[in-house]
Amino acid sequence: AQSVAQPEDQVNVAEGNPLTVKCTYSVSGNPYLFWYVQYPNRGLQFLLKYITGDNLVKGSYGFEAEFNKSQTSFHLKKPSALVSDSALYFCAVRDTDDYKLSFGAGTTVTVRA
Amino acid sequence: GAGVSQSPSNKVTEKGKDVELRCDPISGHTALYWYRQSLGQGLEFLIYFQGNSAPDKSGLPSDRFSAERTGGSVSTLTIQRTQQEDSAVYLCASKDKLATRETQYFGPGTRLLVL
Repeated sequence: AQSVAQPEDQVNVAEGNPLTVKCTYSVSGNPYLFWYVQYPNRGLQFLLKYITGDNLVKGSYGFEAEFNKSQTSFHLKKPSALVSDSALYFCAVRDTDDYKLSFGAGTTVTVRA
Repeated sequence: GAGVSQSPSNKVTEKGKDVELRCDPISGHTALYWYRQSLGQGLEFLIYFQGNSAPDKSGLPSDRFSAERTGGSVSTLTIQRTQQEDSAVYLCASKDKLATRETQYFGPGTRLLVL
């Protein structure tokens, strides 16, 4: 079985401050981990993924995420948030033996000017 | 290149009517997924197609829901006798089958409202 938890429904930060969106996961085997972003009335856009290799993954729009196996976490980070980063963020996981993604409930990020 | 496209972008229907939602995956992608996103909730897996293999329909919520994929490309999700609880955004995603290309790419979704 596989599952994802995003413990925060909302994250509010000031523009220019660091942004962190938390994600923890549970899988039976090795995880494939993903972050997607959804802007209002739009589909999901891929940000980054961890499959194997370096634990620190860099993605689109200046985002990065760190895979931590011992803590089963894959938190999304951005050193300096922009107002345009305001959106709904989803973490997703897939077990190596599965083909379906399991998504977290999403975290709404609001960056204030 | 062209991404995943879905049509219609919005659909309003009356309770009890049938609806068809269409998905055009990225050219060459052999895997196709349907998800449902209800208001305030995450994404719920509905169905998965991979090449010519039998689809995984384990996520379909009831027998009113069905999907097909013709010629290994375009897919249609059909909801019969729609209910108000079917109101949601229906998202389609496609993926290359190669193991190193694990990313699912999503379409813009179809927003379904059942009155």
